[in-house]
Amino acid sequence: DTAVSQTPKYLVTQMGNDKSIKCEQNLGHDTMYWYKQDSKKFLKIMFSYNNKELIINETVPNRFSPKSPDKAHLNLHINSLELGDSAVYFCASSQDTWAGGYTFGSGTRLTVV
Amino acid sequence: ILNVEQSPQSLHVQEGDSTNFTCSFPSSNFYALHWYRWETAKSPEALFVMTLNGDEKKKGRISATLNTKEGYSYLYIKGSQPEDSATYLCAFRSNDYKLSFGAGTTVTVRA
Repeated sequence: DTAVSQTPKYLVTQMGNDKSIKCEQNLGHDTMYWYKQDSKKFLKIMFSYNNKELIINETVPNRFSPKSPDKAHLNLHINSLELGDSAVYFCASSQDTWAGGYTFGSGTRLTVV
Repeated sequence: ILNVEQSPQSLHVQEGDSTNFTCSFPSSNFYALHWYRWETAKSPEALFVMTLNGDEKKKGRISATLNTKEGYSYLYIKGSQPEDSATYLCAFRSNDYKLSFGAGTTVTVRA
């Protein structure tokens, strides 16, 4: 049973295209996140949603738009892809009152050519 | 983005030896300190979440301590085994709920 699942696992696309990455969690968690792993391997927060409401929006180009249709899903849509968007994107979820930390998806490796 | 530093960046340890490494974080607006284990080609996996000054947590041969007043946490691995080879991430959660990660300490255990 996959707790946090991301699709696709790999995504290769051309500059200027629009693409989406989907994330779903079956843990009943209230909060979901998108993190970007940068070139130095840091995990950097992009967005966080709690019960479908945006609570964290870091300095991210507005070409990136998260969408949460319900608390089990947080999708990431990227418009007009640029070479610098190439990275691994991780989805995660947590229950604020739960002491178990974040549960991460397996990551989506996005390559823009 | 809050400053979370981990040292050393990497270390090699002989099988059977014990080791430890540090995470330093801001001592203000503290909510929680997380440790994660991240194996190559997998996703980060939560080890510990610590919230109180003086907390000590243990899972098998791995343990962690927390000092929120001075802003540091130690992770200890006792009797290292090859399966302990991974990158260990710490993350500071401030009371605005943001979780900021350090760059990690990559541990390689030599058989």
